[in-house]
Amino acid sequence: NAGVTQTPKFQVLKTGQSMTLQCAQDMNHEYMSWYRQDPGMGLRLIHYSVGAGITDQGEVPNGYNVSRSTTEDFPLRLLSAAPSQTSVYFCASSYEPGTEAFFGQGTRLTVV
Amino acid sequence: AQKITQTQPGMFVQEKEAVTLDCTYDTSDQSYGLFWYKQPSSGEMIFLIYQGSYDEQNATEGRYSLNFQKARKSANLVISASQLGDSAMYFCAMREAPRAAGNKLTFGGGTRVLVKP
Repeated sequence: NAGVTQTPKFQVLKTGQSMTLQCAQDMNHEYMSWYRQDPGMGLRLIHYSVGAGITDQGEVPNGYNVSRSTTEDFPLRLLSAAPSQTSVYFCASSYEPGTEAFFGQGTRLTVV
Repeated sequence: AQKITQTQPGMFVQEKEAVTLDCTYDTSDQSYGLFWYKQPSSGEMIFLIYQGSYDEQNATEGRYSLNFQKARKSANLVISASQLGDSAMYFCAMREAPRAAGNKLTFGGGTRVLVKP
């Protein structure tokens, strides 16, 4: 059972490049979220979704876009990468509020 | 705005002893939820325990228990009989109440625990 799958696991980008971080879950969860974790810190919410076609901004949305065309997938797009976006990115899904959020393994992104 | 505070950046604990990790929160919501996650050096986020604001009993999961003091807005994690594998970062997190907010979590800064043999 896959759970939440994130790809890629590691990525190096040059400043100004764009890319998409992929997130897929096979648990039929409605709720999905993207977080970033900077060194020595807790996770901060970037964007979230409460179902297909519904997304909203979190605490640190600038420089990122999301869409949710299916229940399974919730990609995160970096529009024009900046060194400040160097971080570890986690995707999470959950069945409903107040239940365990299942996290992917994370994507370690470095922007040079 | 919600806020989670973990005041212990790091702590040592002797193997087989119990350890308490502090977490205080700030919210004006009446309905909310509190989570604890473990992050080992490998980086994954592992769910440990959940407490709802209306739950009357403190949550327990195996060696983990949550000391929930609503009036003091604290949700401390107690790990009993520490094991070497408990060495990790521990994060306290809070969920917003409205269903429309999904399962948005606000995280504290974490506490690093190192278990000594």
